Amino acid sequence: GENVEQHPSTLSVQEGDSAVIKCTYSDSASNYFPWYKQELGKRPQLIIDIRSNVGEKKDQRIAVTLNKTAKHFSLHITETQPEDSAVYFCAASIWGNTPLVFGKGTRLSVIA
Amino acid sequence: GAVVSQHPSWVICKSGTSVKIECRSLDFQATTMFWYRQFPKQSLMLMATSNEGSKATYEQGVEKDKFLINHASLTLSTLTVTSAHPEDSSFYICSAETGVTTEAFFGQGTRLTVV
Repeated sequence: GENVEQHPSTLSVQEGDSAVIKCTYSDSASNYFPWYKQELGKRPQLIIDIRSNVGEKKDQRIAVTLNKTAKHFSLHITETQPEDSAVYFCAASIWGNTPLVFGKGTRLSVIA
Repeated sequence: GAVVSQHPSWVICKSGTSVKIECRSLDFQATTMFWYRQFPKQSLMLMATSNEGSKATYEQGVEKDKFLINHASLTLSTLTVTSAHPEDSSFYICSAETGVTTEAFFGQGTRLTVV
């Protein structure tokens, strides 16, 4: 089955700096890669996702890149703000076929 | 976006009792729902896949007789934790997909505390 590794487990950045979180996956058949933001005690919120037919996707300060050959994908947050502080999870699946498999999460702290 | 409603949001129960958690898709039909468990400071771990009208598929290591899943309709799946023990205390969360878009929609989650 799919295995998703996520690094780093914790990340502290100064407000305004960029943050990068990386994930690798094992199943070459996976074709859907979402990123979630989760605040304490709340449900995960989708912040951006990418399908395997594209290599990069951007939404304002957030971008995701995908390297299918290397089987890794990354989340990039630019101009970080204190409200970006949360736990971020990457996930992978074969859309419509398998459930999401999550990485272990990254606790991002943005220091004002 | 689609809405998945989960209840209760939190519950405290005595050891040995059973607790039922409901997950409803409010504005779409979900033939498949997923149940996850999240321990503090850990990731979401898939427990089982709930299929409408058929038996759930459990992940390895999840006791199907302890975590009963019923998906009786296209909009409702329930998870019953039977004979709960303190080690079952966790955050349980369901998700469903519309089948139209790639996004998975999560319920609010249920914080279960067994005392």
